[in-house]
Amino acid sequence: DSGVTQTPKHLITATGQRVTLRCSPRSGDLSVYWYQQSLDQGLQFLIQYYNGEERAKGNILERFSAQQFPDLHSELNLSSLELGDSALYFCASSVASATQYFGPGTRLTVL
Amino acid sequence: TQLLEQSPQFLSIQEGENLTVYCNSSSVFSSLQWYRQEPGEGPVLLVTVVTGGEVKKLKRLTFQFGDARKDSSLHITAAQPGDTGLYLCAGDPGGYQKVTFGTGTKLQVIP
Repeated sequence: DSGVTQTPKHLITATGQRVTLRCSPRSGDLSVYWYQQSLDQGLQFLIQYYNGEERAKGNILERFSAQQFPDLHSELNLSSLELGDSALYFCASSVASATQYFGPGTRLTVL
Repeated sequence: TQLLEQSPQFLSIQEGENLTVYCNSSSVFSSLQWYRQEPGEGPVLLVTVVTGGEVKKLKRLTFQFGDARKDSSLHITAAQPGDTGLYLCAGDPGGYQKVTFGTGTKLQVIP
């Protein structure tokens, strides 16, 4: 158990819908990262937050947005969903160093 | 943008064999991490290497950071079926630059 929690574990929705994925970092970690992993693919970095502020941005679509709240939990919002958005979405957290601890992921299926 | 190439991309071996996975870049990293990911689960941190030339051992796994801190290798001795998974390296350039994940090596150990 990494100490990072993600909810929900599974999410099934239809094209055009909007969903919110939630992540709680390890106690004391200020950084939260979001990644997308499609079937048999590597990790695609989406976005990083540090203590509530956006720190780095990767290949995140304009239909996707995220935020980190004062209690340090983070949410990833995915809107106007397309079939190709079906993937595993991982959250990771770290104190300040590069060593990231990953959550169990949310499996999103868009039908 | 730093790129981390891993080789081989796929590896299928018999139980008891030895193997080496490589992680190469043209960029210098402050530190490098290795993760193992099982299907449907989040990556699990195996090790962090920081110093050029550093060697770390984790039971049957030996990790080495290149002298110039641009590359790393993971050697597994007497592979077991439990070693099956996706192995990912991740390089941290330092400062506020984001961590880059490698392309991944999918290992299958056949009993």
